[in-house]
Amino acid sequence: GAVVSQHPSRVICKSGTSVKIECRSLDFQATTMFWYRQFPKQSLMLMATSNEGSKATYEQGVEKDKFLINHASLTLSTLTVTSAHPEDSSFYICSAYSPANSGNTIYFGEGSWLTVV
Amino acid sequence: DAKTTQPPSMDCAEGRAANLPCNHSTISGNEYVYWYRQIHSQGPQYIIHGLKNNETNEMASLIITEDRKSSTLILPHATLRDTAVYYCIVRHTGANSKLTFGKGITLSVRP
Repeated sequence: GAVVSQHPSRVICKSGTSVKIECRSLDFQATTMFWYRQFPKQSLMLMATSNEGSKATYEQGVEKDKFLINHASLTLSTLTVTSAHPEDSSFYICSAYSPANSGNTIYFGEGSWLTVV
Repeated sequence: DAKTTQPPSMDCAEGRAANLPCNHSTISGNEYVYWYRQIHSQGPQYIIHGLKNNETNEMASLIITEDRKSSTLILPHATLRDTAVYYCIVRHTGANSKLTFGKGITLSVRP
């Protein structure tokens, strides 16, 4: 299957700072990328959908000014958690999709653990 | 997208077939059935998907009932590394079509 990679896999940041997570589709061009958040022992919760070159669409209840998503190219999307607080500590997962290149299948990255101290 | 219902957990013996059921009684004609699994602390892994015909790949088989209201994922020879949470998701394949995750079923493969 197609390969989606996230970086960093783990990050620790201080409360009040911002942290950026990258998501790359390595072997296909992704027109659409999705960002999820997962708290311990819970399922994945969709945060936003981003299309290359346009603004992300956020799910209800997700603060767009806190979780900045940029999808500047067909192989890279970034999620920036601004002014992070301990309650933002979570597992963040991206996924990528392109009807032309990945068929009908969405592929996921390995996930990024964020710990805010 | 239609909702799916899965039992919370099941187990099977190593080397035996694992049959994971899923109900999707409100599925519509243009919606596919997708299966993903998530091993602890990793991103979900795509397993298989289908529309109405049974599908098989190197990982698993997907059996969809004729009325499409339920399906079964079959892992033919389960190993300990198949222990994971398995998600059955119904999704149409239009632009920006997303995957909405439920609670999934936790499969425990015992030695």
